[in-house]
Amino acid sequence: AQSVTQLDSQVPVFEEAPVELRCNYSSSVSVYLFWYVQYPNQGLQLLLKYLSGSTLVKGINGFEAEFNKSQTSFHLRKPSVHISDTAEYFCAVTGGANFGNEKLTFGTGTRLTIIP
Amino acid sequence: IAGITQAPTSQILAAGRRMTLRCTQDMRHNAMYWYRQDLGLGLRLIHYSNTAGTTGKGEVPDGYSVSRANTDDFPLTLASAVPSQTSVYFCASSDSGTGSYTFGSGTRLTVV
Repeated sequence: AQSVTQLDSQVPVFEEAPVELRCNYSSSVSVYLFWYVQYPNQGLQLLLKYLSGSTLVKGINGFEAEFNKSQTSFHLRKPSVHISDTAEYFCAVTGGANFGNEKLTFGTGTRLTIIP
Repeated sequence: IAGITQAPTSQILAAGRRMTLRCTQDMRHNAMYWYRQDLGLGLRLIHYSNTAGTTGKGEVPDGYSVSRANTDDFPLTLASAVPSQTSVYFCASSDSGTGSYTFGSGTRLTVV
C-alpha cells in the first residue's frame, strides 16, 4: 500500500518569490508520482509526473519536481510565482506491477496563496 | 474532445433519497475510479474498476455502490443519501499504456 504526506496545508508566498511544496511518500513497491493543481471551483489538472528516468521532472506553468528515492520525497518547486498560481496542489502516488491500472493515492493538499 | 463526462454538475438531495452520479469516458481506458473530495482530506477513493465487469472497494466505500457493465460507463449510486455524503465527487480513468490519469470536472453534491 502507498501513502502520501503533504507537510504543509497552507503556504503563503509573495509574488515573484520562489516556492517549494513538500511531498513525502511511502511505498513497498516501485512508485509513480504525480502533482495535480486545482484552481477554485475547477477539476484537477496534471502539472507533472515521474514514471522513470531523470529524477528532475519539468511540468507545465514553470513548475518542476525532483524525485528523491533515499528521502522518499517528490517536492514541487517554482522559481518565481505569479498571482495565477493561487490554487490547491495535490501530490499523488501509485505503484506496483499493474502499471496504469492502479488507483492513485492522494495527499491532503496544499493551498498556495500568492500575496501581491 | 476525448475525456470524461460527469453528470449532474451539481445536485441538492434530500436525505434518504437515492441518487446515481453518472460518469462516461470515450478513451477506452480499462480502469476507472470514483473519488470524493473533502476539505482537509484531499481525494479519497470510493470504488474502482480495473476492467469492465469487475469492481472493487476503495478507502471509503460505505453507502456507495458501483457497476461496470461496459468499458465506457461507471455510475456511482448512493442508495439512501446522508448529510455526511455531502462532497465533491470526481470520476477518473487511467491508461495502462501511458500511466496517464484523466479526471472529470466533478459533481458537487449537497445532502440536506
